[in-house]
Amino acid sequence: NAGVTQTPKFQVLKTGQSMTLQCAQDMNHEYMSWYRQDPGMGLRLIHYSVGAGITDQGEVPNGYNVSRSTTEDFPLRLLSAAPSQTSVYFCASSYSADYEQYFGPGTRLTVT
Amino acid sequence: GENVEQHPSTLSVQEGDSAVIKCTYSDSASNYFPWYKQELGKGPQLIIDIRSNVGEKKDQRIAVTLNKTAKHFSLHITETQPEDSAVYFCAASRDRDDKIIFGKGTRLHILP
Repeated sequence: NAGVTQTPKFQVLKTGQSMTLQCAQDMNHEYMSWYRQDPGMGLRLIHYSVGAGITDQGEVPNGYNVSRSTTEDFPLRLLSAAPSQTSVYFCASSYSADYEQYFGPGTRLTVT
Repeated sequence: GENVEQHPSTLSVQEGDSAVIKCTYSDSASNYFPWYKQELGKGPQLIIDIRSNVGEKKDQRIAVTLNKTAKHFSLHITETQPEDSAVYFCAASRDRDDKIIFGKGTRLHILP
């Protein structure tokens, strides 16, 4: 099992550009989520999904879109990148919210 | 919505001593409380968790206690070792389809 994979590992964007952060898991987990990690701010939930076709907002959803067309994939889209979105992004998957979350290795995004 | 407060933000202890990290939560309906350890450059990994029907859980040098009345839970690490140096996060969720909200993290330094 590869577990949770994220691509790319690093990305630099200019303000206003768009991009998609990819997340995939091969554990047949229903629950997937995206977090951003900033110094002193911990892990903040952006969006989450309890199964294919179902998504919901987390604590900091503005500026981000998600979709869940398959169980395996949960991409995160930045429609118009802003410097405030400079962060490390983690994707996680699990059987459900009340079981162990498996985190990917993270994507370090810089917006200039 | 749920709010999780974590203290302290930084903790330094001598090798061999004990470390205690405390978290409080706001939603009395929360019933799952995991703790994650994050090493430099990696995603967080679950180290121990507790559910609301249990007051304490131990796993070798690590223990978690839960006080539902006061809405707080704590991580206890005994006989600390250099490899315990990391960032630790607490989290809370209500049920299988809920959001998982994390605290801001505690950076633990084990001093030689």
